[in-house]
This record gives sequence, structure tokens and C-alpha cells, in this order.
Amino acid sequence: EMQLVESGGGLVKLGGSLRLSCAASGLNFRNFSINWVRQAPGKGLEWVSSINSGGTAIYYADSVRGRFTISRDNAKNSVYLQISSLRAEDTAVYYCARHKGAFDIWGQGTVVTVSS
Amino acid sequence: DIQMTQSPSSVSASVGDRVTITCRSSHDIGYWLAWYQQKPGKAPDLLIYAAFRLQTGVPSRFSGSGSGTDFSLTISSLQPEDFATYYCQQAKSYPRTFGQGTKLEIK
Repeated sequence: EMQLVESGGGLVKLGGSLRLSCAASGLNFRNFSINWVRQAPGKGLEWVSSINSGGTAIYYADSVRGRFTISRDNAKNSVYLQISSLRAEDTAVYYCARHKGAFDIWGQGTVVTVSS
Repeated sequence: DIQMTQSPSSVSASVGDRVTITCRSSHDIGYWLAWYQQKPGKAPDLLIYAAFRLQTGVPSRFSGSGSGTDFSLTISSLQPEDFATYYCQQAKSYPRTFGQGTKLEIK
């Protein structure tokens, strides 16, 4: 069974950047869409971005389009989220999740805190 | 964008109770609806996909129904481990959108 592990979160200043990683273990990583979903402190879930199995179909939430970039390296079983021009409202736990009809496998999350 | 609206926002119930949470979408999404359970400090877990299909390993006391714009999640007999926050999510189109969540609390 596939497992997902996020990394790369941390404390960053307003306007700064980070690169989040989502590493997969298990079979058939390259066959699935991977998404990023975030959750601000005390708030609900917000879908952020999606990349299909081949990296040819990419989608973003309006709130991050132009600032965040999703990519994947199937040879390394990894998906990345480059987050830039960070704002206070980007402070959240960032989860990666496999999409197979729904978000059926989630990582444990990585915390991004944007400070002034 | 498709808006997802859950009700109630919170509910208090007792062990053994039957609880139903509803979710309404702003557009027809067919059966493209999923339900998740989230406990504090943890990632969400998928309970139901395609509106009514039970994810492997999820207890049968959970069930989903509905299609089009109106959906529901029912827990037939609440267990202590069911007290959590529940989210619906549409998988019909991008951007994927979630309901605001329903917090299920112990009465």
C-alpha cells in the first residue's frame, strides 16, 4: 500500500519561499494524481493544487495561482510544491494526498508558518 | 466554482445515537462526492467515495447517500471513536472544494 510523507515545511518570512516535498513509497506511484490540501490553524480543509500521473494536467486554487508551482518526478516517486510570495494566510498544515476517485491516501502533513 | 455547504456545523450526540450530516452542492455533481473524518492533529481519513461507496476498512455503521446536489452521511450507532470533524468534498470538477466541516461532539 502506498504511503506519503511530506517534508520541507518551516518558518518563513512574509514574501519568502519554500519547497515542499511529498515522497511516496509503495507500488504504482506514477499511475496516480497527487494533490496538495492545506488546513490553516483551527480552520477547514482547502484544496491547493493537483498534478496528474504524467505531469501534463496541473490545477491550482485561485488563492495560490501564480505563487505556487506543483511538479513531480516519477523516477524519484516524489511530488513537489514550490510556494513563493508567501502571505500570512498561507500559514497552514500542508498535506499531500493521492486521488483515486477521492483523496484516499494522505500524508501526515508538514507545517508552514509565515511570519512578519 | 462548486460551493459545498454542510449542516449542521456542529452536533452533540451520545454513544449509540444515530446521526446524519448533510451536504449540499451548488451544482449537480452526480455521485462525485466523498466524506472524510478528521481527528485533532491528524490527517483526514476517507470514509465514503462516489457518494455511497464505503472505503475499505471503514465500519459499516457509516453510510452515504444522495446524488446531484443533496447528500448525507449517516452514522447508525455512534461509537466513542466517532467523535471527530467530518467534511464532504466534491470530486466533479476543479477546483476541488470541501464543505466547511461538521464537528461531532459528545453530549
